[in-house]
Amino acid sequence: QVQLVQSGAEVKKPGASVKVSCKASGYTFNNYGISWVRQVPGQGLEWMGWNSAYNGNTIYAQKFQGRVTMTTDTSTSTAYMDLRSLRSDDTAIYYCARVGGIYGADAFDIWGQGTMVTVSS
Amino acid sequence: QSVLTQPPSASGTPGQRVTISCSGSSSNIGSNTVTWYQQLPGTAPKLLIYSYNQRPSGVPDRFSGSKSGTSASLAISGLQSEDEANYYCAAWDDSLHGPVFGGGTKLTVL
Repeated sequence: QVQLVQSGAEVKKPGASVKVSCKASGYTFNNYGISWVRQVPGQGLEWMGWNSAYNGNTIYAQKFQGRVTMTTDTSTSTAYMDLRSLRSDDTAIYYCARVGGIYGADAFDIWGQGTMVTVSS
Repeated sequence: QSVLTQPPSASGTPGQRVTISCSGSSSNIGSNTVTWYQQLPGTAPKLLIYSYNQRPSGVPDRFSGSKSGTSASLAISGLQSEDEANYYCAAWDDSLHGPVFGGGTKLTVL
């Protein structure tokens, strides 16, 4: 079945970096994009950016520009989100989500299970 | 502070009809399609409504969406206990060059 499986929980110190992976299966990876959305536990959703698996193009939310890098590896159907200079307020659940299918360019139709990233000294 | 505004909570009894509002501006809801997501406790969000009022396969027709000007609404008819969840609206924002979300509405089935 179509699914996105993310890497496991991470604990990082302030100032460090974290790289979260998102492995796709059950569909043609190159035909879609991957967006990353984060959620502070108990709070709302925040879009971080989008990465095309077709040509590697990226769009980052202004808030994260300069601190985030999103990439895709078509040979393994895996997307990555690298967030640097971590702060305590980056503690959140990070989701990858498929975008660009029959539901439109702005609808996230398949979500990963989420990766908890905790930033603490 | 979310760009789209939703009521923090809503409630209803089984079988009742409930609506959840989502208020935005001309740069998002006013000029782009609205999407709704359902998030059950401890799980990832799930696409519920896209392009204002379209349902992906598998979503019951009890769920419907609408839009008027710079506001949108999600209606749930024949409320069931399994509908208890958080609901988020979203829309592309032309000024921010990306999708924005509402703060979410926690629906309680009494």
